[in-house]
Amino acid sequence: EAQVTQNPRYLITVTGKKLTVTCSQNMNHEYMSWYRQDPGLGLRQIYYSMNVEVTDKGDVPEGYKVSRKEKRNFPLILESPSPNQTSLYFCASSSLPPLRTSGSSYEQYFGPGTRLTVT
Amino acid sequence: RKEVEQDPGPFNVPEGATVAFNCTYSNSASQSFFWYRQDCRKEPKLLMSVYSSGNEDGRFTAQLNRASQYISLLIRDSKLSDSATYLCVVNPGGYQKVTFGTGTKLQVIP
Repeated sequence: EAQVTQNPRYLITVTGKKLTVTCSQNMNHEYMSWYRQDPGLGLRQIYYSMNVEVTDKGDVPEGYKVSRKEKRNFPLILESPSPNQTSLYFCASSSLPPLRTSGSSYEQYFGPGTRLTVT
Repeated sequence: RKEVEQDPGPFNVPEGATVAFNCTYSNSASQSFFWYRQDCRKEPKLLMSVYSSGNEDGRFTAQLNRASQYISLLIRDSKLSDSATYLCVVNPGGYQKVTFGTGTKLQVIP
């Protein structure tokens, strides 16, 4: 079954304690992305990756790190979590449109979400 | 002005009703448009892409109005199972770059 998985699904932690949220996809997608979703603000992109070893900042990257050592995995790292990072996090993946269609996007497949609470 | 704007609702409609949502976007160069559906506390899932000529999938119809810079979603014969938040997604320009609206909540009432 084609899917995007995230772990853990729920996490309660304390300020400053490093944590990693894993994301894995089995669809051989080049593109992967992390979003956070907060009430009234919608989905905001944190980081994205076009392929292995290629990552770039989204709209709200402060306080987060990512890595893309393998095509299927794209972990999100919070080196020193703070309460303002309490949120619902989604990982997503997608195949990529041809480069010549620079204004195009393809459907994104989302993981089930990780609800993070930082106290 | 926000890149993508939606009326948050909620839209409370009786079963069987027809309901329509609009979503406005600010970048006239936008090329890709989508509607996603999100159930409470679940992941967003693609409902339909929106093509220039408009497209229909069963009870759902999506339209694009480039002159006025909005897309619309029409749901006919609403079902209880249509209750969800509908997210408008637009590529404002840039390779695989998308911006999500904050969503419109629909509640279908028996």
